[in-house]
Amino acid sequence: GAGVSQTPSNKVTEKGKYVELRCDPISGHTALYWYRQSLGQGPEFLIYFQGTGAADDSGLPNDRFFAVRPEGSVSTLKIQRTERGDSAVYLCASSLFSKGDTQYFGPGTRLTVL
Amino acid sequence: AQSVTQLGSHVSVSEGALVLLRCNYSSSVPPYLFWYVQYPNQGLQLLLKYTSAATLVKGINGFEAEFKKSETSFHLTKPSAHMSDAAEYFCAVSRSDDKIIFGKGTRLHILP
Repeated sequence: GAGVSQTPSNKVTEKGKYVELRCDPISGHTALYWYRQSLGQGPEFLIYFQGTGAADDSGLPNDRFFAVRPEGSVSTLKIQRTERGDSAVYLCASSLFSKGDTQYFGPGTRLTVL
Repeated sequence: AQSVTQLGSHVSVSEGALVLLRCNYSSSVPPYLFWYVQYPNQGLQLLLKYTSAATLVKGINGFEAEFKKSETSFHLTKPSAHMSDAAEYFCAVSRSDDKIIFGKGTRLHILP
């Protein structure tokens, strides 16, 4: 595909459950970013990957949140023991390298925790 | 620490009128500055970015923004609004460490 894709587009889960959100970056992009956008707010940075490694995970709110990118392409954001406050749109972006390269965003996954 | 402040969570302009969306930033080092647009149920799309070259940056869809260091501003303008410009606009700042800090957004309404 030409752009960043994210699946699922919508996820409804119950409090306490585990969820996985997937991001497929643009082919060849080495940098990948996760953001969270709560209602009425701008996106907030969660984590940044350069290749397979997390170069900056300072935005992850707590240890219930974890992300991987084992082969340097697809990434999965994992949330354990979900809470109602985790409800938000989770955005993924990728860029060719880093250091000011344009970030291209996916359409997001809307997570609703009941 | 870096931050951006967008003045006005909602802005309404008449079709054909000037669009002005305000953004002020705070950064301890020369920043990269961005404007993104988000249409309903779509991802963020980059309108334009400033990376320390020309202070007047031209973007897509007729938008432009001017970096004013003395005012720490990066306001977005378009001479003539079109109905299709109705969307949410985000100003953002980053440094060379890649993390982008977004403002809270301004929803632009176009009046017929």
